[in-house]
Amino acid sequence: KAGVTQTPRYLIKTRGQQVTLSCSPISGHRSVSWYQQTPGQGLQFLFEYFSETQRNKGNFPGRFSGRQFSNSRSEMNVSTLELGDSALYLCASSLEALEQFFGPGTRLTVL
Amino acid sequence: AQSVTQLDSQVPVFEEAPVELRCNYSSSVSVYLFWYVQYPNQGLQLLLKYLSGSTLVKGINGFEAEFNKSQTSFHLRKPSVHISDTAEYFCAVRGVTGGGNKLTFGTGTQLKVEL
Repeated sequence: KAGVTQTPRYLIKTRGQQVTLSCSPISGHRSVSWYQQTPGQGLQFLFEYFSETQRNKGNFPGRFSGRQFSNSRSEMNVSTLELGDSALYLCASSLEALEQFFGPGTRLTVL
Repeated sequence: AQSVTQLDSQVPVFEEAPVELRCNYSSSVSVYLFWYVQYPNQGLQLLLKYLSGSTLVKGINGFEAEFNKSQTSFHLRKPSVHISDTAEYFCAVRGVTGGGNKLTFGTGTQLKVEL
C-alpha cells in the first residue's frame, strides 16, 4: 500500500504570497490531519478533516485554511504569508482508528 | 485539553547501552498515548501506542514503554541502542473522547547514539 504523499516537498515563497499544499492519504483513509512543525513551537495541530468536513481545528489564525475532497485528498492553504509561517507542514491520515500515518512533509520557506 | 512534557531535549548514549526517554502528560480526561520517531528530513513514524490493557507496551525496533497512570508518565525504553536509533523522539497524547484524531505532542527528545 502506498503511504501518505505530500506535494510539493519543498517550496519557497515571499511574504504576502499565498500557498497551497497537497496531501494524498493512504487509500481508504477518510481522516486527514495537518500539523505545523517549527524549531520554536514544535509540532502543532492545524486541523483535521473527515469525510470532507472539518472535524477539529487548532489555534491558528484564519489565514490557515483547508479542505478535503470526495476522494479524501486534502489541501491546506495559507494566505498572506509571514516569515513565521516557515515550517515543515506534515499531513497524517487515519482509518478512523487510532494510528495516524504521517507523510514526509512539505518544507515551506518564506522569504 | 492535554499537554505533554518531555523533560530531556537531548540524550547522548553510547551504542549498546540502555536508554530511557521520559514523557509526562497532563489531561482532565482519559488518554491514549503514543511515541513517534522522526529521522532527518522525514515525517513521523509510530513506534508504539498505549490504548488500554497491559501497561507495558512493546513497539518496533526493540522499543517499549510503560504507562503509569498514577505518575501520569509514559517513558520510552530500549535495553540496547544502535547507531541507527539516532533520531528525534516525540511523545504524544490524544483524549479518549472528543477531539477527533488531534494529537498533542511534546517538544521532542533528540537521541544521539555514539560509538
